[in-house]
Amino acid sequence: QKEVEQNSGPLSVPEGAIASLNCTYSDRGSQSFFWYRQYSGKSPELIMSIYSNGDKEDGRFTAQLNKASQYVSLLIRDSQPSDSATYLCAVYSPFKAAGNKLTFGGGTRVLVKP
Amino acid sequence: SQTIHQWPATLVQPVGSPLSLECTVEGTSNPNLYWYRQAAGRGLQLLFYSVGIGQISSEVPQNLSASRPQDRQFILSSKKLLLSDSGFYLCAWSVSGRQVYNEQFFGPGTRLTVL
Repeated sequence: QKEVEQNSGPLSVPEGAIASLNCTYSDRGSQSFFWYRQYSGKSPELIMSIYSNGDKEDGRFTAQLNKASQYVSLLIRDSQPSDSATYLCAVYSPFKAAGNKLTFGGGTRVLVKP
Repeated sequence: SQTIHQWPATLVQPVGSPLSLECTVEGTSNPNLYWYRQAAGRGLQLLFYSVGIGQISSEVPQNLSASRPQDRQFILSSKKLLLSDSGFYLCAWSVSGRQVYNEQFFGPGTRLTVL
């Protein structure tokens, strides 16, 4: 079992719809959770951080964390073609990661079609 | 504000040649520094991380090495490149010592092609 798992996609979403991305993790001691957006040929960009159960909203993005079920999700509302990218989920587990290392999932590719 | 620089942006090198990639961070002190590699269409692979000057931890045994000669400078090197070293090399930093708010921030990357 991979430590952080994501569906590789592609997730095809009509423009204006909601894109829903999921990420599951294996370490129950995980403490911090991050979503990065990576456009083709570019470096990852941090778009959301979440540390406690529940929802966190930032503009069109909502991150949802459920530690009991060990999953974190990202919702993109009113999806735009510019949201087409690969979204990486990253997890920090303090008892397993010296140097504040993050464990990354393989990423979900999102395609927003006009 | 903090910024992270990497150079060169792109590099084409023959097999067996040496490599030196540089990463510098501005606007913060004593950051944790990381080198990742991303092969084409693949996920991020952590290569090295450093929590301080001269302190390097290797994640994957290979023909690469890393050094941190100054607080905000991180260098990735190789004496002889292999074809399999081709990829997108990313440097990242995070604030040291934090146990929770430990986001990593990535530099623009270096695209290396070994021929």
